[in-house]
Amino acid sequence: DAKTTQPTSMDCAEGRAANLPCNHSTISGNEYVYWYRQIHSQGPQYIIHGLKNNETNEMASLIITEDRKSSTLILPHATLRDTAVYYCIVRVSPNAGGTSYGKLTFGQGTILTVHP
Amino acid sequence: NAGVTQTPKFQVLKTGQSMTLQCAQDMNHEYMSWYRQDPGMGLRLIHYSVGAGITDQGEVPNGYNVSRSTTEDFPLRLLSAAPSQTSVYFCASSYSSRAARAGNTIYFGEGSWLTVV
Repeated sequence: DAKTTQPTSMDCAEGRAANLPCNHSTISGNEYVYWYRQIHSQGPQYIIHGLKNNETNEMASLIITEDRKSSTLILPHATLRDTAVYYCIVRVSPNAGGTSYGKLTFGQGTILTVHP
Repeated sequence: NAGVTQTPKFQVLKTGQSMTLQCAQDMNHEYMSWYRQDPGMGLRLIHYSVGAGITDQGEVPNGYNVSRSTTEDFPLRLLSAAPSQTSVYFCASSYSSRAARAGNTIYFGEGSWLTVV
């Protein structure tokens, strides 16, 4: 699995957009980019994922560069409840065959602090 | 629909004792896995399964056994607990469908806090 690099921590003012970057320069063609977050000591929560096109859902937007070597998670209007550790993960698609899609490799993540 | 359920939530063991962490999901997911998370660290994969009767090792499998006799359950066994196994354990599950892009989402349980003294 490709490794990811994220900043250790970021701050954001409540109501403003939070932009969390992730580098995945060794990503291969059959790997998706996933974002999860972990609030306090709860189980990780799925946010969004994508392959090469930008994606948007009710929680966030995901912008993937054309060369797929980096991506940005955007929380459009951050709230205090968005304070969490955010993990950027690359994961092999099940379409690649085998069972390696089952392996998620978590890095250290980015500690996002949203302040009033 | 209860999602991914882990039991117990908290457990204290003495060194050398054995125990089983239970994980059950009611979403008919083929894929299930176990992770451990040490303080200030990301999650590390212990074992995973892509279906009943099929298991494989992850990044840190030593000291742990798993089996998958049913689709719903994926227990994690510690045969002889060691202080190094003090951690928070998370179970996760997802579909394995190659056709369902949305089915790639992995859902996590709320965690089991294990202390080995």
